[in-house]
Amino acid sequence: KAGVTQTPRYLIKTRGQQVTLSCSPISGHRSVSWYQQTPGQGLQFLFEYFSETQRNKGNFPGRFSGRQFSNSRSEMNVSTLELGDSALYLCASSTGTGEYEQYFGPGTRLTVT
Amino acid sequence: AQSVAQPEDQVNVAEGNPLTVKCTYSVSGNPYLFWYVQYPNRGLQFLLKYITGDNLVKGSYGFEAEFNKSQTSFHLKKPSALVSDSALYFCAVSFRSSNTGKLIFGQGTTLQVKP
Repeated sequence: KAGVTQTPRYLIKTRGQQVTLSCSPISGHRSVSWYQQTPGQGLQFLFEYFSETQRNKGNFPGRFSGRQFSNSRSEMNVSTLELGDSALYLCASSTGTGEYEQYFGPGTRLTVT
Repeated sequence: AQSVAQPEDQVNVAEGNPLTVKCTYSVSGNPYLFWYVQYPNRGLQFLLKYITGDNLVKGSYGFEAEFNKSQTSFHLKKPSALVSDSALYFCAVSFRSSNTGKLIFGQGTTLQVKP
């Protein structure tokens, strides 16, 4: 079974621009969660989508948004990029019900200059 | 506030010796507990989880973890460390009550296994 895939793997953007990251979950998984990983703040939860609905949200500004499609693929968008948005963005998929663990993709490394 | 603490930034052990990576948590209710490992430039790999039942859970690559409710701890252990175990380890919790995909992570512990 194929794992979680994320595209692109690396991105360089300029302050003020916007960016869209994509995540394809493991086949059959209906939940996709997004996390931001930085050296200073560690791993922080952004949001979770389950069956195309946002089920939970972390403490990030409204510039961070996401969506999920009917095939469970998910996208994350960051508008008006700031230098502090430079991070590794990880998505994770799971069945979304019961006692489940999450399976992570390799991440997208975003650098904002 | 819900939190997970990994008190050691780095743990150094010699190959063949037992290893322990510590984790304590402060959350309300009875959480699910997880350990993940991250290799350089890679995502996180699931190692093991505690949901309920036996306090000692076994996971991938010979790792195990001991749940201690009174001490709110979930320490990761391995009887004999390998050089290839060197990586960044994260403890995490999620919540029984809300059945959501929100993991709260500790800050991570770097494990260095020397030959």
